[in-house]
Amino acid sequence: AQKITQTQPGMFVQEKEAVTLDCTYDTSDQSYGLFWYKQPSSGEMIFLIYQGSYDEQNATEGRYSLNFQKARKSANLVISASQLGDSAMYFCAMRSLNFGNEKLTFGTGTRLTIIP
Amino acid sequence: DVKVTQSSRYLVKRTGEKVFLECVQDMDHENMFWYRQDPGLGLRLIYFSYDVKMKEKGDIPEGYSVSREKKERFSLILESASTNQTSMYLCASSFGGKRYEQYFGPGTRLTVT
Repeated sequence: AQKITQTQPGMFVQEKEAVTLDCTYDTSDQSYGLFWYKQPSSGEMIFLIYQGSYDEQNATEGRYSLNFQKARKSANLVISASQLGDSAMYFCAMRSLNFGNEKLTFGTGTRLTIIP
Repeated sequence: DVKVTQSSRYLVKRTGEKVFLECVQDMDHENMFWYRQDPGLGLRLIYFSYDVKMKEKGDIPEGYSVSREKKERFSLILESASTNQTSMYLCASSFGGKRYEQYFGPGTRLTVT
């Protein structure tokens, strides 16, 4: 079984500061993928970034980077230079990369509020 | 761009009614998923389908069924709606394979009274 833990229910951050959203995971699989999604107040889930368990480098996508520490089983999302539009719910998720397993397991989310 | 659409944004139904939630994707994705989202619980998988007429139970299938007669369409059915099924329902789709992320629809907020 897989489990994702997001320990920060809510965060308030000043605009233009960097933000780190915590995510720890538990799995018995050797090959797995980690995802971050953003959910604005409109409700739609937006894919942000992906990290494979065998990827040697941390993933980056524009202002988003994933701080992947395999030994600690953590996959924190870092948002640089936060903007007002970053205010949203953020979900960490994972799935096994074994053949035929397409299920995503989600954490409970972190509500991020950017303060002007 | 991938587009996943859901038949309704908001829906109000009465206890005991049969409810259909429809989801359509336009990118020829093999996989489709139904989740429900509740505050403090994140997203929980109800059912998924990896091919036409194929389905598998997720983590919370009780009280739900699904139908996938065509590749682009995946329906969630509440046979007899109950108040504890009041929730946000999210549909998603993806290509099969290791790297691919799921694309989500806008969600349907269902209220059962």
